[in-house]
Amino acid sequence: NAGVTQTPKFQVLKTGQSMTLQCAQDMNHEYMSWYRQDPGMGLRLIHYSVGAGITDQGEVPNGYNVSRSTTEDFPLRLLSAAPSQTSVYFCASSTEGLLLGGNEQFFGPGTRLTVL
Amino acid sequence: AQSVSQHNHHVILSEAASLELGCNYSYGGTVNLFWYVQYPGQHLQLLLKYFSGDPLVKGIKGFEAEFIKSKFSFNLRKPSVQWSDTAEYFCAVNAPDSSASKIIFGSGTRLSIRP
Repeated sequence: NAGVTQTPKFQVLKTGQSMTLQCAQDMNHEYMSWYRQDPGMGLRLIHYSVGAGITDQGEVPNGYNVSRSTTEDFPLRLLSAAPSQTSVYFCASSTEGLLLGGNEQFFGPGTRLTVL
Repeated sequence: AQSVSQHNHHVILSEAASLELGCNYSYGGTVNLFWYVQYPGQHLQLLLKYFSGDPLVKGIKGFEAEFIKSKFSFNLRKPSVQWSDTAEYFCAVNAPDSSASKIIFGSGTRLSIRP
């Protein structure tokens, strides 16, 4: 299994440009999520999905869109990039359902995005 | 809403020193609690988790954490740190009555170990 993969690893955008960060997992996980990591602020949840066709907002959803057409893929779209979106973005997946113990998140390697 | 506080932003220790990283959460109901670690240049990995039973939880690499419900705390400990423990540590909470997978992270504690 490749686990959780993310592309690209690095990206530089100009203000106002749009782009899509790709995330895929091959573990048949129902739950997928996007976080951004900023110094001193930890990881903040942007959007998440509990299954194909179902998405919901996290803590910091503004400026980002997501969709979940398949179980495997969960792309994150920046419609009009802003310097405040400069960050490292992590995608994560896990099983869903009422499992005891809470569900371990499996993280991708991250995408480092710079918006000029 | 759930929230997680990690009050130590940067901790510097010498090898063999004992470690305790603080974590407090705010949520009135049943919670699942986690510690994740991010080694330099790597992505996050699960260190340990608590969901029920013995409040003292043992994880990988000699780490343990104690859940104290009355204090809303889940502090991470290790009796003797090694240089290889240099990393960033994140406490996280999940409220299983919302989604069993939705996790909120603290701001992280950077641990630097002097050889």
